[in-house]
Amino acid sequence: GAVVSQHPSWVICKSGTSVKIECRSLDFQATTMFWYRQFPKQSLMLMATSNEGSKATYEQGVEKDKFLINHASLTLSTLTVTSAHPEDSSFYICSARETWTSGSIPYEQYFGPGTRLTVT
Amino acid sequence: KQEVTQIPAALSVPEGENLVLNCSFTDSAIYNLQWFRQDPGKGLTSLLLIQSSQREQTSGRLNASLDKSSGRSTLYIAASQPGDSATYLCAVRMTAMEYGNKLVFGAGTILRVKS
Repeated sequence: GAVVSQHPSWVICKSGTSVKIECRSLDFQATTMFWYRQFPKQSLMLMATSNEGSKATYEQGVEKDKFLINHASLTLSTLTVTSAHPEDSSFYICSARETWTSGSIPYEQYFGPGTRLTVT
Repeated sequence: KQEVTQIPAALSVPEGENLVLNCSFTDSAIYNLQWFRQDPGKGLTSLLLIQSSQREQTSGRLNASLDKSSGRSTLYIAASQPGDSATYLCAVRMTAMEYGNKLVFGAGTILRVKS
């Protein structure tokens, strides 16, 4: 089946520093990738949608200058949290949508294992 | 704006019981509905996906139903096991262009199956 990986699985950084999270589709090409944030005991909230080779589309209330997204290839998207603060501490999950072919389910997304970010 | 609600928020049952998790959504213009499982500190595992034209899907001990007109879905788990303990998330994919075919998630039901 389709596998999405994230790296790192957890990271601790100091307030004011930047941290980069990678999301990779391991065995398929992903034209579109999604970044979600999940606070404890809450559901996933979509932060942004990125399409390979173009700028990401951010959801309302998400600061694009703080959460930089790059989707430079069909198998890799990165999320950089710039000037991180303790309130950015959260669980970040990426998801990839396979480039549609005649044998796949339209719009089906595959989720990564998540990255736990703690800002001290 | 689409809102997805899951009831109950938490559920604790003894091993072997059959149980039902509920999901409701306010906008019936959906493309499909998906049930996920999330273990603590982990990502999402897709359990069942129901297209808007379908009424139910089954996988092993799991059965998911969809009543699009009333905005409801249920996930039925038969003969529950301790290994079923997890958070179960319901998500709908919207059809309307303004939603961009995005998934909208419920808050989840935390299930604990006691041995």
